[in-house]
Amino acid sequence: DAKTTQPPSMDCAEGRAANLPCNHSTISGNEYVYWYRQIHSQGPQYIIHGLKNNETNEMASLIITEDRKSSTLILPHATLRDTAVYYCIVRVGGTSYGKLTFGQGTILTVHP
Amino acid sequence: NAGVTQTPKFQVLKTGQSMTLQCAQDMNHNSMYWYRQDPGMGLRLIYYSASEGTTDKGEVPNGYNVSRLNKREFSLRLESAAPSQTSVYFCASSAQGGGLAGGQRRTDTQYFGPGTRLTVL
Repeated sequence: DAKTTQPPSMDCAEGRAANLPCNHSTISGNEYVYWYRQIHSQGPQYIIHGLKNNETNEMASLIITEDRKSSTLILPHATLRDTAVYYCIVRVGGTSYGKLTFGQGTILTVHP
Repeated sequence: NAGVTQTPKFQVLKTGQSMTLQCAQDMNHNSMYWYRQDPGMGLRLIYYSASEGTTDKGEVPNGYNVSRLNKREFSLRLESAAPSQTSVYFCASSAQGGGLAGGQRRTDTQYFGPGTRLTVL
Protein backbone atom coordinates (compact mmCIF):
# COMPACT_ATOMS: atom_id res chain seq x y z
CA ASP A 1 0.00 0.00 0.00
CA ALA A 2 1.17 3.53 -0.82
CA LYS A 3 2.64 5.69 1.93
CA THR A 4 0.84 8.86 2.97
CA THR A 5 2.09 12.13 4.43
CA GLN A 6 -0.08 14.34 6.63
CA PRO A 7 0.67 17.43 8.72
CA PRO A 8 1.00 16.48 12.39
CA SER A 9 -1.52 19.03 13.60
CA MET A 10 -4.04 21.64 12.46
CA ASP A 11 -6.38 24.11 14.10
CA CYS A 12 -9.81 25.23 12.99
CA ALA A 13 -12.42 27.65 14.34
CA GLU A 14 -15.80 26.22 15.19
CA GLY A 15 -18.28 26.67 12.34
CA ARG A 16 -15.57 27.07 9.72
CA ALA A 17 -14.51 24.51 7.16
CA ALA A 18 -11.63 22.24 8.13
CA ASN A 19 -9.43 21.23 5.19
CA LEU A 20 -7.09 18.34 5.95
CA PRO A 21 -4.46 17.58 3.30
CA CYS A 22 -2.82 14.27 2.48
CA ASN A 23 -0.01 13.50 0.07
CA HIS A 24 0.19 10.06 -1.55
CA SER A 25 2.53 10.59 -4.46
CA THR A 26 3.24 6.85 -4.96
CA ILE A 27 -0.40 5.82 -5.19
CA SER A 28 -1.20 3.09 -7.71
CA GLY A 29 -4.08 3.06 -10.12
CA ASN A 30 -6.09 0.52 -8.14
CA GLU A 31 -5.58 2.10 -4.72
CA TYR A 32 -8.32 3.97 -2.92
CA VAL A 33 -7.95 6.87 -0.51
CA TYR A 34 -9.66 6.25 2.83
CA TRP A 35 -10.18 8.63 5.72
CA TYR A 36 -10.78 7.55 9.28
CA ARG A 37 -10.77 9.54 12.48
CA GLN A 38 -10.21 8.66 16.09
CA ILE A 39 -11.74 10.71 18.83
CA HIS A 40 -9.84 10.43 22.09
CA SER A 41 -9.91 6.92 23.57
CA GLN A 42 -12.50 5.66 21.07
CA GLY A 43 -12.22 3.23 18.19
CA PRO A 44 -11.45 4.66 14.75
CA GLN A 45 -14.46 5.82 12.77
CA TYR A 46 -14.80 5.54 9.01
CA ILE A 47 -15.43 8.90 7.29
CA ILE A 48 -15.21 8.56 3.54
CA HIS A 49 -13.23 7.01 0.71
CA GLY A 50 -12.71 7.51 -3.02
CA LEU A 51 -10.77 6.33 -6.04
CA LYS A 52 -10.47 9.29 -8.40
CA ASN A 53 -13.70 11.24 -8.33
CA ASN A 54 -14.62 13.68 -5.60
CA GLU A 55 -16.92 12.17 -3.01
CA THR A 56 -19.37 13.61 -0.51
CA ASN A 57 -21.40 12.07 2.25
CA GLU A 58 -23.19 13.26 5.36
CA MET A 59 -19.92 13.69 7.24
CA ALA A 60 -17.43 15.16 4.80
CA SER A 61 -16.21 15.74 1.27
CA LEU A 62 -13.15 14.22 -0.30
CA ILE A 63 -11.32 16.07 -3.05
CA ILE A 64 -8.74 14.05 -5.01
CA THR A 65 -6.40 15.83 -7.42
CA GLU A 66 -6.47 14.83 -11.04
CA ASP A 67 -3.08 13.10 -10.83
CA ARG A 68 -4.29 11.40 -7.61
CA LYS A 69 -1.08 12.27 -5.80
CA SER A 70 -2.84 14.21 -3.09
CA SER A 71 -6.26 14.66 -1.55
CA THR A 72 -8.10 16.90 0.89
CA LEU A 73 -10.72 15.95 3.43
CA ILE A 74 -13.20 18.76 4.03
CA LEU A 75 -15.38 19.04 7.10
CA PRO A 76 -17.72 21.82 5.95
CA HIS A 77 -18.80 23.18 9.34
CA ALA A 78 -16.44 21.94 12.02
CA THR A 79 -17.74 21.50 15.55
CA LEU A 80 -15.95 20.89 18.83
CA ARG A 81 -16.88 17.21 18.51
CA ASP A 82 -14.78 16.99 15.35
CA THR A 83 -11.61 17.38 17.42
CA ALA A 84 -9.81 14.10 16.71
CA VAL A 85 -6.88 12.45 14.96
CA TYR A 86 -7.58 12.09 11.25
CA TYR A 87 -5.94 9.30 9.31
CA CYS A 88 -5.48 9.23 5.54
CA ILE A 89 -4.94 5.67 4.32
CA VAL A 90 -4.25 4.45 0.82
CA ARG A 91 -4.94 0.84 0.02
CA VAL A 92 -6.20 -1.46 -2.68
CA GLY A 93 -9.96 -1.73 -2.54
CA GLY A 94 -11.85 -4.99 -2.77
CA THR A 95 -8.90 -7.18 -1.84
CA SER A 96 -9.30 -10.50 -0.10
CA TYR A 97 -8.06 -8.99 3.15
CA GLY A 98 -8.82 -5.47 4.22
CA LYS A 99 -6.09 -4.61 6.67
CA LEU A 100 -5.54 -0.90 7.20
CA THR A 101 -2.13 0.66 7.76
CA PHE A 102 -2.48 3.65 10.07
CA GLY A 103 0.21 6.32 10.07
CA GLN A 104 0.57 9.16 12.56
CA GLY A 105 -2.40 11.12 11.25
CA THR A 106 -3.28 14.78 11.75
CA ILE A 107 -4.47 16.04 15.13
CA LEU A 108 -7.32 18.43 14.35
CA THR A 109 -8.25 20.80 17.15
CA VAL A 110 -11.47 22.77 16.73
CA HIS A 111 -11.56 25.94 18.82
CA PRO A 112 -14.68 27.78 20.06
CA ASN B 1 -27.78 -3.21 16.07
CA ALA B 2 -24.80 -2.79 18.40
CA GLY B 3 -22.11 -2.93 15.70
CA VAL B 4 -18.82 -4.23 17.11
CA THR B 5 -18.65 -4.98 20.81
CA GLN B 6 -15.61 -5.82 22.89
CA THR B 7 -15.18 -7.24 26.38
CA PRO B 8 -13.75 -6.42 28.78
CA LYS B 9 -13.31 -2.63 28.56
CA PHE B 10 -10.41 -2.61 31.01
CA GLN B 11 -8.10 -5.30 32.32
CA VAL B 12 -5.00 -5.42 34.51
CA LEU B 13 -2.82 -8.52 34.39
CA LYS B 14 0.38 -9.64 36.03
CA THR B 15 3.26 -10.81 33.89
CA GLY B 16 2.73 -14.42 32.87
CA GLN B 17 -1.02 -14.45 33.29
CA SER B 18 -3.27 -15.37 30.40
CA MET B 19 -6.50 -13.87 29.19
CA THR B 20 -8.84 -13.76 26.21
CA LEU B 21 -10.25 -10.61 24.68
CA GLN B 22 -13.68 -11.10 23.17
CA CYS B 23 -15.09 -9.42 20.08
CA ALA B 24 -18.47 -9.82 18.43
CA GLN B 25 -20.21 -8.12 15.52
CA ASP B 26 -23.86 -8.19 14.53
CA MET B 27 -23.49 -6.81 11.00
CA ASN B 28 -23.11 -10.21 9.29
CA HIS B 29 -19.59 -9.22 8.22
CA ASN B 30 -17.20 -11.77 6.75
CA SER B 31 -13.89 -10.28 7.87
CA MET B 32 -12.68 -9.43 11.35
CA TYR B 33 -9.45 -7.88 12.66
CA TRP B 34 -7.49 -7.28 15.82
CA TYR B 35 -5.31 -4.18 16.17
CA ARG B 36 -3.25 -2.76 18.98
CA GLN B 37 -2.53 0.90 19.59
CA ASP B 38 0.34 2.06 21.75
CA PRO B 39 0.50 5.61 23.15
CA GLY B 40 1.10 8.22 20.46
CA MET B 41 1.13 5.66 17.69
CA GLY B 42 -1.15 4.47 14.95
CA LEU B 43 -2.90 1.11 14.96
CA ARG B 44 -0.99 -2.02 14.09
CA LEU B 45 -2.63 -5.18 12.83
CA ILE B 46 -2.12 -8.25 15.02
CA TYR B 47 -4.27 -10.89 13.30
CA TYR B 48 -7.16 -10.94 10.90
CA SER B 49 -9.76 -13.36 9.67
CA ALA B 50 -10.81 -12.86 6.08
CA SER B 51 -13.73 -15.24 6.50
CA GLU B 52 -15.14 -17.74 8.95
CA GLY B 53 -12.70 -20.59 9.43
CA THR B 54 -9.59 -18.69 8.37
CA THR B 55 -7.06 -16.61 10.28
CA ASP B 56 -3.81 -14.94 9.24
CA LYS B 57 -1.00 -13.06 10.91
CA GLY B 58 -0.73 -9.30 10.65
CA GLU B 59 2.34 -7.20 11.35
CA VAL B 60 2.71 -7.89 15.09
CA PRO B 61 1.38 -11.42 15.84
CA ASN B 62 4.03 -12.60 18.31
CA GLY B 63 2.63 -13.41 21.74
CA TYR B 64 -0.95 -13.69 20.54
CA ASN B 65 -3.34 -16.33 19.25
CA VAL B 66 -6.77 -15.91 17.75
CA SER B 67 -9.90 -17.96 17.23
CA ARG B 68 -12.68 -17.25 14.78
CA LEU B 69 -15.35 -19.00 16.77
CA ASN B 70 -18.10 -18.38 14.24
CA LYS B 71 -19.05 -15.64 11.83
CA ARG B 72 -19.90 -13.24 14.66
CA GLU B 73 -17.05 -13.78 17.09
CA PHE B 74 -13.29 -13.34 16.90
CA SER B 75 -11.25 -13.71 20.08
CA LEU B 76 -7.66 -12.72 20.88
CA ARG B 77 -5.70 -14.68 23.47
CA LEU B 78 -2.59 -13.74 25.37
CA GLU B 79 -1.10 -16.97 26.67
CA SER B 80 1.59 -15.42 28.85
CA ALA B 81 1.18 -11.68 29.16
CA ALA B 82 4.22 -9.40 29.09
CA PRO B 83 4.54 -5.70 29.95
CA SER B 84 5.22 -5.01 26.25
CA GLN B 85 1.64 -6.05 25.58
CA THR B 86 0.27 -3.13 27.56
CA SER B 87 -1.83 -1.39 24.96
CA VAL B 88 -5.31 -0.58 23.75
CA TYR B 89 -6.76 -3.37 21.65
CA PHE B 90 -9.32 -2.71 18.95
CA CYS B 91 -11.42 -5.21 17.08
CA ALA B 92 -12.87 -4.36 13.68
CA SER B 93 -15.03 -5.99 11.05
CA SER B 94 -15.80 -5.46 7.39
CA ALA B 95 -18.27 -6.95 4.97
CA GLN B 96 -15.62 -7.87 2.35
CA GLY B 97 -16.05 -10.48 -0.29
CA GLY B 98 -17.40 -10.58 -3.79
CA GLY B 99 -15.90 -9.24 -6.98
CA LEU B 100 -14.84 -5.77 -8.04
CA ALA B 101 -18.22 -4.68 -9.34
CA GLY B 102 -19.72 -1.33 -8.44
CA GLY B 103 -21.42 -2.78 -5.38
CA GLN B 104 -18.03 -3.58 -3.91
CA ARG B 105 -17.31 0.03 -3.06
CA ARG B 106 -18.32 -0.05 0.57
CA THR B 107 -17.82 -3.70 1.43
CA ASP B 108 -14.29 -3.36 2.81
CA THR B 109 -14.97 -0.39 5.06
CA GLN B 110 -13.92 -1.39 8.55
CA TYR B 111 -16.02 -0.69 11.62
CA PHE B 112 -14.28 -0.61 14.97
CA GLY B 113 -15.25 -1.54 18.48
CA PRO B 114 -14.69 0.70 21.52
CA GLY B 115 -11.44 -0.97 22.55
CA THR B 116 -10.01 -2.88 25.51
CA ARG B 117 -7.43 -1.12 27.64
CA LEU B 118 -4.95 -3.70 28.90
CA THR B 119 -2.21 -3.10 31.44
CA VAL B 120 0.37 -5.80 32.17
CA LEU B 121 2.34 -5.24 35.35
